[in-house]
Amino acid sequence: GESVGLHLPTLSVQEGDNSIINCAYSNSASDYFIWYKQESGKGPQFIIDIRSNMDKRQGQRVTVLLNKTVKHLSLQIAATQPGDSAVYFCAEIRYNQGGKLIFGQGTELSVKP
Amino acid sequence: DTGVSQDPRHKITKRGQNVTFRCDPISEHNRLYWYRQTLGQGPEFLTYFQNEAQLEKSRLLSDRFSAERPKGSFSTLEIQRTEQGDSAMYLCASSFAGPTAYEQYFGPGTRLTVT
Repeated sequence: GESVGLHLPTLSVQEGDNSIINCAYSNSASDYFIWYKQESGKGPQFIIDIRSNMDKRQGQRVTVLLNKTVKHLSLQIAATQPGDSAVYFCAEIRYNQGGKLIFGQGTELSVKP
Repeated sequence: DTGVSQDPRHKITKRGQNVTFRCDPISEHNRLYWYRQTLGQGPEFLTYFQNEAQLEKSRLLSDRFSAERPKGSFSTLEIQRTEQGDSAMYLCASSFAGPTAYEQYFGPGTRLTVT
């Protein structure tokens, strides 16, 4: 079946270090991916997106890398801060199905001060 | 606050009871989505509306579940004869249809506990 999943369920980093969160997907037809951040008790919050015709996209302190050959994407957070502590999900958007999102399991990022 | 709102935030109910949740999307958005999230998992798609039309329902949405968006604005999700397996966070999201459909804005969710 199709799935979007993450390699590691938890990640602990020191404040100021860079964080890398990975995601694997199985649907080779996927052409749009999104990273979401979810803090405790809140809904997912859009972080950054990337289209399949790109291999890298940068935002403020975040970079998403896409490797279509191995169906892998990653989220890099520079100079991780305590406020970055949350669960991070990658998701695929299905434009031909009303734009619904297919989420992976999630990685919990814990930032140690 | 012009974001997506959901009510109630928490609901505890006994098995067999009916519950109804409400979602108010961002006012300009014509698409509204419902997702369900269990602990440690990513949200799972349940259904979506474009304006007042319900265009897709997941197989997760059993006959006990019904969703409406009567005027193309707010939406309700009703669960009849709740079961313990219905315990989850129910998330609502809204967006524009079209090229920016990926910009789905989520509400805070309604956490349902069925005892």
